[in-house]
Amino acid sequence: SQTIHQWPATLVQPVGSPLSLECTVEGTSNPNLYWYRQAAGRGLQLLFYSVGIGQISSEVPQNLSASRPQDRQFILSSKKLLLSDSGFYLCAWRVGRGTEAFFGQGTRLTVV
Amino acid sequence: KQEVTQIPAALSVPEGENLVLNCSFTDSAIYNLQWFRQDPGKGLTSLLLIQSSQREQTSGRLNASLDKSSGRSTLYIAASQPGDSATYLCAAPQGGSEKLVFGKGTKLTVNP
Repeated sequence: SQTIHQWPATLVQPVGSPLSLECTVEGTSNPNLYWYRQAAGRGLQLLFYSVGIGQISSEVPQNLSASRPQDRQFILSSKKLLLSDSGFYLCAWRVGRGTEAFFGQGTRLTVV
Repeated sequence: KQEVTQIPAALSVPEGENLVLNCSFTDSAIYNLQWFRQDPGKGLTSLLLIQSSQREQTSGRLNASLDKSSGRSTLYIAASQPGDSATYLCAAPQGGSEKLVFGKGTKLTVNP
């Protein structure tokens, strides 16, 4: 069966520090991968999605970036965190456009 | 641009009651719609995926309906239980794209 792993679960980082969040999917090949951010009162916001290795689409211009170095690995990064980057980051996958989406357990990021 | 609205934002019911959660979307050119559940501090759990060609989808005590022409979907929960307490989110695609647009959710509390 397919599973999605996301880590770390919680993270407290100072302003200006770098960030790396990792997401991996098991049990499927060539998934579509997504990074969402959930902020209080704002709902889920799509940040990046990828339909293949090295293919990244950005939805929101900001100081975050994403990479997909392997088929089932999706990484969210920042060189310098801002206070406004605080939130709950969720990774998701699905096989194709019309299929069911599955989410990881999320990373709670607090920038201090 | 797809916009998804969920009403009410919060709902409190006694155990055993049947209830309906509402989801409306502005762009009816969707290929499917998905309902999720989110427990506090956790990721999203997929409940039901309903394709545009379907009118209803059922899983246990849950039944989701989809009316593309009116831009509405409902999630019916039968015989509610305290364990159903969570936030329920619906998501619809933006046009034919990969992007899933989420509503802000309905926070359900089922009182024993």
